[in-house]
Amino acid sequence: QQPVQSPQAVILREGEDAVINCSSSKALYSVHWYRQKHGEAPVFLMILLKGGEQKGHDKISASFNEKKQQSSLYLTASQLSYSGTYFCGTAETGGGNKLTFGTGTQLKVEL
Amino acid sequence: DTGVSQNPRHKITKRGQNVTFRCDPISEHNRLYWYRQTLGQGPEFLTYFQNEAQLEKSRLLSDRFSAERPKGSFSTLEIQRTEQGDSAMYLCASSPGRALVADLHFGNGTRLTVT
Repeated sequence: QQPVQSPQAVILREGEDAVINCSSSKALYSVHWYRQKHGEAPVFLMILLKGGEQKGHDKISASFNEKKQQSSLYLTASQLSYSGTYFCGTAETGGGNKLTFGTGTQLKVEL
Repeated sequence: DTGVSQNPRHKITKRGQNVTFRCDPISEHNRLYWYRQTLGQGPEFLTYFQNEAQLEKSRLLSDRFSAERPKGSFSTLEIQRTEQGDSAMYLCASSPGRALVADLHFGNGTRLTVT
């Protein structure tokens, strides 16, 4: 099964914060986050490896709880450019070198 | 780094026809993936190559689908006897083979419409 993301959609005003969650029923060794704008290809944001690490750059960060097979993406002080659909991609332990993408979260940032 | 290139960008075909798509990965990337994406859904894994070897193919993939990567460079994805349910965006991605799963670099995709 594909990972489940929540919320399905969120609307923010510029400057507000958001959290996007990704949950899998499988044992994971890494989680990836991608952003896709309408009509464009997904763009890589970051990878998190098992070990509970947290990563971030600029105002976007993420965490990975391998025991719960959950990851969260944190967007702070959102900008108009953050609008798009966010996908988590999970790599399963023993699952080979592929990603299984989540259900997606549509994010819209308005003025 | 010229990015991942896919051709054609759009393909309209009649049901029952065969179609072939091409993907040119980033030159130094030895892994190449094919995904399929329908409207409102996340990309769905189809198959992947490590150099010229096809290492995994989705169990959901019909025998009508075949992919090749001769010489470990570009790749082709062929769909035989197309069906309306094959209509989707077909995405190619490449990655360096440094880690178990490294960051994927996606092309802009080929949008297939089967009429």
